Amino acid sequence: QSALTQPASVSGSPGQSITISCTGTSSDVGGYNYVSWYQQHPGKAPKLMIYEVSNRPSGVPDRFSGSKSGNTASLTISGLQAEDEADYYCSSYTSSSTPYVFGTGTKVTVL
Amino acid sequence: QVTLRESGPALVKPTQTLTLTCTFSGFSLSTSGMCVSWIRQPPGKALEWLALIDWDDDKYYSTSLKTRLTISKDTSKNQVVLTMTNMDPVDTATYYCARSIAAREFDYWGQGTLVTVSS
Repeated sequence: QSALTQPASVSGSPGQSITISCTGTSSDVGGYNYVSWYQQHPGKAPKLMIYEVSNRPSGVPDRFSGSKSGNTASLTISGLQAEDEADYYCSSYTSSSTPYVFGTGTKVTVL
Repeated sequence: QVTLRESGPALVKPTQTLTLTCTFSGFSLSTSGMCVSWIRQPPGKALEWLALIDWDDDKYYSTSLKTRLTISKDTSKNQVVLTMTNMDPVDTATYYCARSIAAREFDYWGQGTLVTVSS
């Protein structure tokens, strides 16, 4: 099972919007609405930010949103803030022999 | 309140077997739908899913590591154990355990434990 493809880095100024893509196949991202997104600050455990493509857990700011089109899922951060600087990973359920696959990770930099 | 905590050796030698324990609270692995996974992250690299065990004692493994991994649970102790045989320096990573429900998103994570493989 190959990792989902994410851009290595994305940057933006405070207040701007950025979008991180997560590209898979019809066996994972395209085939199921079980895409989730995780935020990871240095030295910390990942934190769930989006589940089932577009749902936010309680406590996650509404400037984080998710969507999907075909085999590509996206995470958008609107009104970028300094504390959003972190690594972000997508994950999807898969129909392969292993139930999960993660993305390659994206480093978000707030300029 | 759901919490998970990983424990195990910080250093193992090449060819040795690694045993990690995930001790959790706030939920029961005997409850229908509950799952615990192990996920690792080499320094500076991406997350890699390793293994999952569910409430019904079904087990799933990463295809690439399947021959080296064993996952088990002790419901009475609220623990999940992962063993990985024939450790190699490339297995140096922070190992996390995480909960999911019905094998969906990972909603709670442990803080992770760094395992270094070196002679």
